[in-house]
Amino acid sequence: AQSVAQPEDQVNVAEGNPLTVKCTYSVSGNPYLFWYVQYPNRGLQFLLKYITGDNLVKGSYGFEAEFNKSQTSFHLKKPSALVSDSALYFCAVRDLSYNTDKLIFGTGTRLQVFP
Amino acid sequence: NAGVTQTPKFQVLKTGQSMTLQCAQDMNHNSMYWYRQDPGMGLRLIYYSASEGTTDKGEVPNGYNVSRLNKREFSLRLESAAPSQTSVYFCASSDRVSRTEAFFGQGTRLTVV
Repeated sequence: AQSVAQPEDQVNVAEGNPLTVKCTYSVSGNPYLFWYVQYPNRGLQFLLKYITGDNLVKGSYGFEAEFNKSQTSFHLKKPSALVSDSALYFCAVRDLSYNTDKLIFGTGTRLQVFP
Repeated sequence: NAGVTQTPKFQVLKTGQSMTLQCAQDMNHNSMYWYRQDPGMGLRLIYYSASEGTTDKGEVPNGYNVSRLNKREFSLRLESAAPSQTSVYFCASSDRVSRTEAFFGQGTRLTVV
């Protein structure tokens, strides 16, 4: 069955330090993976996606993610965190097999960046 | 380009009442989704539609029905609202063929009293 796990409810990091938000996935077919961010009282904004190709994916606002097939992971990273990066982050996996199009999200990780 | 439009933005219902949440997209996407967001639970898929004329159950379909009226519109109906359905509901759309990311509406905050 298709699933996504975000093992950390919250990640705290000091401004200027690198950040990592973890995500692991399970899907029967090819993995199509996404990261989204949600600011308070807002909808979800797309950050980046892995469809195929390079394992390191670059996205919006300086974020990147590393796809690791052997570890079934897709961790979100940023070299230098900003206070404005504080938000709720969601990982998602899409199953396009068997003519379906099911998009499943993780439970979310709250990122808190301290000045 | 409006993207994904949800109505209403806010709604208060009494237990047992019914209502329909409307969603429309203008991006010619073939896939559409309904999610609910609850604290600590993330986004949970209620129903989805991979193409016009098809709908499938997601992770939490009980108490809901959907209609894919045409390619643009995907509505979510609560036949008999319960307090457990108090949540924020999001509609999204995506293109299956080009495998784009999903685009989200701004959400509907529903309270059932």
